Amino acid sequence: GDSVTQTEGQVALSEEDFLTIHCNYSASGYPTLFWYVQYPGEGPQLLFRASRDKEKGSSRGFEATYDKGTTSFHLRKASVQESDSAVYYCALSDGSTGNTGKLIFGLGTTLQVQP
Amino acid sequence: NAGVIQTPRHKVTGKGQEATLWCEPISGHSAVFWYRQTIVQGLEFLTYFRNQAPIDDSGMPKERFSAQMPNQSHSTLKIQSTQPQDSAVYLCASSRDWGCAETLYFGSGTRLTVL
Repeated sequence: GDSVTQTEGQVALSEEDFLTIHCNYSASGYPTLFWYVQYPGEGPQLLFRASRDKEKGSSRGFEATYDKGTTSFHLRKASVQESDSAVYYCALSDGSTGNTGKLIFGLGTTLQVQP
Repeated sequence: NAGVIQTPRHKVTGKGQEATLWCEPISGHSAVFWYRQTIVQGLEFLTYFRNQAPIDDSGMPKERFSAQMPNQSHSTLKIQSTQPQDSAVYLCASSRDWGCAETLYFGSGTRLTVL
């Protein structure tokens, strides 16, 4: 079945550091890829999505590029802030299974940014 | 727009008791999803309704778990004879439509603790 793998379980950085969170996926069709962010006590919320090969999604300084060749959608930010501390989830929605909109999530990466 | 509303925020049950979790989706949204969140398994898909009709319950444990959507303004997830391994945060989400690129809007979740 479809799956999403996030390499890093936890990432600890200082403010203004560069962030990379790796995401690789496995899907039978041509999925839409998402990054969601979850703050304590809240549900996940959409950061951005990409639906086509080489498409770049971006929001709030975060960005990721859909790479069908390497089946990846790595999250990057040039300069993190303490307020970016949260759990980040990579996810996919595979339209080949009936256009359901059901999301398959990775296990999440906890980002802790020190001031 | 109040977003997706889940009640209660916290529920504690004894082993063997029943738990009913409530979700009010965003008005006008046609798809409703239930997910379970744990440290070990992350975000697991449980079930999904489209225009109140059950579409995909492939993530629901076959025994003890059931979900309903009696009208467009609320959905319930019922767990009979709760077990300690059911302890988790249960998240409800809604989306405007059911395409594979749709944004899911999550509630803040219900934290279920089974003693």
